[in-house]
Amino acid sequence: ETGVTQSPTHLIKTRGQQVTLRCSSQSGHNTVSWYQQALGQGPQFIFQYYREEENGRGNFPPRFSGLQFPNYSSELNVNALELDDSALYLCASGTWGKNTEAFFGQGTRLTVV
Amino acid sequence: AQKVTQAQTEISVVEKEDVTLDCVYETRDTTYYLFWYKQPPSGELVFLIRRNSFDEQNEISGRYSWNFQKSTSSFNFTITASQVVDSAVYFCALSEAATSNYKLTFGKGTLLTVNP
Repeated sequence: ETGVTQSPTHLIKTRGQQVTLRCSSQSGHNTVSWYQQALGQGPQFIFQYYREEENGRGNFPPRFSGLQFPNYSSELNVNALELDDSALYLCASGTWGKNTEAFFGQGTRLTVV
Repeated sequence: AQKVTQAQTEISVVEKEDVTLDCVYETRDTTYYLFWYKQPPSGELVFLIRRNSFDEQNEISGRYSWNFQKSTSSFNFTITASQVVDSAVYFCALSEAATSNYKLTFGKGTLLTVNP
């Protein structure tokens, strides 16, 4: 039990649509990062937010965007969905500066048809 | 650029056997962190260990042990007397110290199956 919860658990969308995935972190976690995990692969870093500002981004196009809110929740938005966006999306949170590991949620399984 | 290689895609053992999962990494940073995570079928990544690049001491935690060798850029994970509950995908990961523990570069994972 990491205290990080993601919703929804599963989601099916049509190509071209937009999707919003949500993550609720533990109180006090000022950093959240999002990962995409394709089937049979390791998670790939999408971006990271610290105190509501993006402060690191992986090799993902601008149609992947995010928000972090003061209440320790965050969102991952993906526009113009493509079939290759089908994956498990994981969020991880923690407290920058406290030298703790990232706490991962259980993920959202997104299927694009 | 950072890279983590887990050459073993799948390993199958019989309960009570010892098993070692290999991890080789590449980084140009002098300060970095190495991690192992376990991913059961439920999908959540379970943290197992974090190691600072300046700390090459091997670590043992119950049936788990880790061997960090900077000279060969390896951070291997051994499970002693494996159990069926150890069946999962195991990931090795790397992060630059400057970017915190939350920007991780993962390997492709090793699927461990422990048969009764």
